[in-house]
Amino acid sequence: NAGVTQTPKFQVLKTGQSMTLQCAQDMNHEYMSWYRQDPGMGLRLIHYSVGAGITDQGEVPNGYNVSRSTTEDFPLRLLSAAPSQTSVYFCASSFYARAVITEAFFGQGTRLTVV
Amino acid sequence: KQEVTQIPAALSVPEGENLVLNCSFTDSAIYNLQWFRQDPGKGLTSLLLIQSSQREQTSGRLNASLDKSSGRSTLYIAASQPGDSATYLCAAPLRDNYGQNFVFGPGTRLSVLP
Repeated sequence: NAGVTQTPKFQVLKTGQSMTLQCAQDMNHEYMSWYRQDPGMGLRLIHYSVGAGITDQGEVPNGYNVSRSTTEDFPLRLLSAAPSQTSVYFCASSFYARAVITEAFFGQGTRLTVV
Repeated sequence: KQEVTQIPAALSVPEGENLVLNCSFTDSAIYNLQWFRQDPGKGLTSLLLIQSSQREQTSGRLNASLDKSSGRSTLYIAASQPGDSATYLCAAPLRDNYGQNFVFGPGTRLSVLP
């Protein structure tokens, strides 16, 4: 019973490098999202998706890209890493049906350091 | 814009005490509110989900209440144990088309001393 799986758990990047944070869920959830967690600021929404082929921006989307080609996977791409993107990144998923609110499941997080 | 605050920021209690964590939100037109637990270096675990039609929700020693009119929710932990030590996060949904995106509070860091 894997739930939401994020890889890698830790990553160090140099400024300007690109990379992809992976997120996969095995619960057949339509809804997936990415948050970043910074000290003193709580979790903030980066991007989200309500199903394959549909994505939208959250509160802090700049510097990040997403795509959703399958129900299971929702990768987050850093185009050109900056020190300001040093953070802990969390992926979340849930069932989605209009007017029905469901429990959200979170991955274990990816701790990213940009030097 | 939805804003969520939590008090206290940190709390240290001896084992066995009952305690209350507080959460306030600015947009009362919410579908639901969720409480999460986060252990150091770990992800978030959903504790309780309160629908807007409910006033409270219970799970074991945990009880969460929701008062939309005052923009407040409380998480009550009965007979606290050292294993309850963690950061507790309150999350209210954004008012968008989906209701599945959250605004999180900064959390309350709880330490239960044996």
